[in-house]
Amino acid sequence: AQSVTQLDSQVPVFEEAPVELRCNYSSSVSVYLFWYVQYPNQGLQLLLKYLSGSTLVKGINGFEAEFNKSQTSFHLRKPSVHISDTAEYFCAVSPPGGATNKLIFGTGTLLAVQP
Amino acid sequence: NAGVTQTPKFRILKIGQSMTLQCTQDMNHNYMYWYRQDPGMGLKLIYYSVGAGITDKGEVPNGYNVSRSTTEDFPLRLELAAPSQTSVYFCASSYSTIGNSPLHFGNGTRLTVT
Repeated sequence: AQSVTQLDSQVPVFEEAPVELRCNYSSSVSVYLFWYVQYPNQGLQLLLKYLSGSTLVKGINGFEAEFNKSQTSFHLRKPSVHISDTAEYFCAVSPPGGATNKLIFGTGTLLAVQP
Repeated sequence: NAGVTQTPKFRILKIGQSMTLQCTQDMNHNYMYWYRQDPGMGLKLIYYSVGAGITDKGEVPNGYNVSRSTTEDFPLRLELAAPSQTSVYFCASSYSTIGNSPLHFGNGTRLTVT
């Protein structure tokens, strides 16, 4: 069975600094990987996804993530954050093809951008 | 487009009461989902549906029931509310399977059971 680990529950960072949010997954088969963002009092929105192909995936709002199969990681990065990036970020995994139509979510990382 | 609409936004229930959380989408999506979000626990899938008349259990279905009589609506029913069901509930929909189309979430229903 797949699982997702987000080790950092909260990441404080100053505005315009770079940030990396860590995500590790465990699976015996190849998977699809996702990052979702949740702004305060809202539902989640898709930030980016990895299905196959290039291991560097670019998403909305200047975020990108790199799939590393040997380290079973899918870390999210942004070179320069803004106050508006303050939100909770969830990594998620799904078996290929979405056969079960189920996403397994991590516990989330709160990105707190300070001026 | 309204997207995914959930009602109510907030609700307080007493132990043993019942209620229905409403979810409707106007995107003609086949797939619909109910998740609950607990602090520090991420989102857990309660039930999902791949089309009208078809529903299936997720990770944490106990204490809940669903129905899908139309493409647009996917209500979640709590029959005998318990404090363990205090949570934020999110409804989501997607056009196709998870790898092919993103989930569209509603803004959530915050439920407190006392």
